[in-house]
Amino acid sequence: GNSVTQMEGPVTLSEEAFLTINCTYTATGYPSLFWYVQYPGEGLQLLLKATKADDKGSNKGFEATYRKETTSFHLEKGSVQVSDSAVYFCALSPDSNYQLIWGAGTKLIIKP
Amino acid sequence: GAVVSQHPSRVICKSGTSVKIECRSLDFQATTMFWYRQFPKQSLMLMATSNEGSKATYEQGVEKDKFLINHASLTLSTLTVTSAHPEDSSFYICSAMYGNTEAFFGQGTRLTVV
Repeated sequence: GNSVTQMEGPVTLSEEAFLTINCTYTATGYPSLFWYVQYPGEGLQLLLKATKADDKGSNKGFEATYRKETTSFHLEKGSVQVSDSAVYFCALSPDSNYQLIWGAGTKLIIKP
Repeated sequence: GAVVSQHPSRVICKSGTSVKIECRSLDFQATTMFWYRQFPKQSLMLMATSNEGSKATYEQGVEKDKFLINHASLTLSTLTVTSAHPEDSSFYICSAMYGNTEAFFGQGTRLTVV
């Protein structure tokens, strides 16, 4: 079946630190992969996505590369800011119907 | 991006009562809406998919008589938790999309049943 596993939080970092949030998946076929972010008190927002192997999604300084060989889609950012504090969700869509399979979410706390 | 408004953001209700949660697409017509439920420290679980003007499709294990979904128009879907019990306490999130474009999410509703 389809599933997404992401690292447990919370992840606490100092401002300007390097961030990695791991995400691995199991899926049949060729899913699309997503990272969503939920800032406090707000809805989920699409952060970035990749639709095929070796694609790199990027937005707001965040990047993630679709690695089919390792079934991974790790989220990275070179220098985090306090404003990046949020919950990050990794998700996959096994088909074009946009029904998403979600990871459990990782809370990120950035301290000044 | 497009805006999806979910209301209320928090609700506390007594056991045995019903609660309605609204999900509105503010600047686009949503042909499809999804309802999710999230337990603490767990993934969002898809409850049902609704298309405007037709009955919702529920995921396995979701009681359709308990979680009533009405997608009455292209901008509004409602989820009614009937005869709520403490085990229904959870975080409910809707999302809306037009065709096969990106899905946009509401801010979620924290339901507490006491």
